[in-house]
Amino acid sequence: SQKIEQNSEALNIQEGKTATLTCNYTNYSPAYLQWYRQDPGRGPVFLLLIRENEKEKRKERLKVTFDTTLKQSLFHITASQPADSATYLCALDPTGTASKLTFGTGTRLQVTL
Amino acid sequence: GAGVSQTPSNKVTEKGKYVELRCDPISGHTALYWYRQSLGQGPEFLIYFQGTGAADDSGLPNDRFFAVRPEGSVSTLKIQRTERGDSAVYLCASSLTGLTNPGETQYFGPGTRLLVL
Repeated sequence: SQKIEQNSEALNIQEGKTATLTCNYTNYSPAYLQWYRQDPGRGPVFLLLIRENEKEKRKERLKVTFDTTLKQSLFHITASQPADSATYLCALDPTGTASKLTFGTGTRLQVTL
Repeated sequence: GAGVSQTPSNKVTEKGKYVELRCDPISGHTALYWYRQSLGQGPEFLIYFQGTGAADDSGLPNDRFFAVRPEGSVSTLKIQRTERGDSAVYLCASSLTGLTNPGETQYFGPGTRLLVL
């Protein structure tokens, strides 16, 4: 069956360190993968998209990698700050038509001083 | 508008009642999506509109769920004979075209928290 898996346990890291979140998928061949941030009581907010022919994508302190052989994406936040504390969701479009997204369960990141 | 808005923000109803949830997408966005998010889970796709028509309703769980978008802007998600298992956050999103445009950003509203007692 098709699955998108993210660490269900919260990730606790100290301010200034690099946070690394994992997204693994099975039985999909996505053309791209997206990462979203979700704060409590809010809807998800788009952060980054990486296409299947891209190994890595960066935006400010964020970096995403995409390994279609391992069927895995890694999401990194460098020099993390308490304001980065949120739930991070990976999502892919199983149909390749941008008509819908399938999301992982999300990983909650807590950055402490 | 500035972003996607949803009303009400919270809805408490009794089992068996009918509810309507409203979504106002970003002005000019032709694509509109409904998702449902249960506690501790990611959003789950329900239905996608391209203009006024439902282009993909494969995520609707059963025939108690129905959505409309009569004028291609505001959409209403309707749930008949609500059940306790329908309790969740219902999220609406919109995007500019929704057409085969890999990676087009979806903009989400804050959601409606539905609680069925």
